[in-house]
Amino acid sequence: QVQLQGSGPGLVKPSETLSLTCTVSSGSMTGYYWSWIRQPPGKGLEWIGYIYYSGDTSYNPSLKSRVTISIDTSKKQFSLKLSSLTAADTALYYCAQDGPWVPRGAFDIWGQGTVVTVSS
Amino acid sequence: QSALTQPPSASGSPGQSVTISCTGTSSDVGGYDYVSWYQQHPGKAPQLIIYEVSKRPSGVPDRFSGSKSGNTASLTVSGLQAEDEADYYCSSYAGSDNSILFGGGTKLTVL
Repeated sequence: QVQLQGSGPGLVKPSETLSLTCTVSSGSMTGYYWSWIRQPPGKGLEWIGYIYYSGDTSYNPSLKSRVTISIDTSKKQFSLKLSSLTAADTALYYCAQDGPWVPRGAFDIWGQGTVVTVSS
Repeated sequence: QSALTQPPSASGSPGQSVTISCTGTSSDVGGYDYVSWYQQHPGKAPQLIIYEVSKRPSGVPDRFSGSKSGNTASLTVSGLQAEDEADYYCSSYAGSDNSILFGGGTKLTVL
């Protein structure tokens, strides 16, 4: 059974860049879409973007100018970089698996979530 | 790209059925059979309960069912149980920009 483990700093300063990594344990990354999703405190889910195992990406248009998602299949990891942070980026950040072969928005496996607070 | 529209709240008594709607456009919900539903209990990660409009992952009770008509998808929870009290989110693939949309979420209360 595939498991996802997110990691990264919990506190980031305004205007800086957030870097998070998600590690895939057991199973293969091949054929799947790997997404980042966030949830501000007390609010709903927001899809940030995905990367296919081949490296193809798609981002939320509202975040596209600030987001980069990368993948390292040899390490079984994918990563999120979100730049120019503001307090509005404070949220619980999840990594999740979608697919296979088609981005359906059917996230059947989720990481535990990483709390990120943007504050000076 | 706008979020899918869900009612903020829904409620029902134990044993009753409740339906939650999720409205999009012909570019997302109406254009593809890639609508999913998630259940989220407080402090927990969302759990996939319906995918591809009406399919249930292994282990999800058949009390949960999904459907779609035009640009609106629906989740029906039959035989409500206390443990069904949670937040429910819909999602859809949006082909215009190859992205994923979420609904704003519906808080289901079991009276």
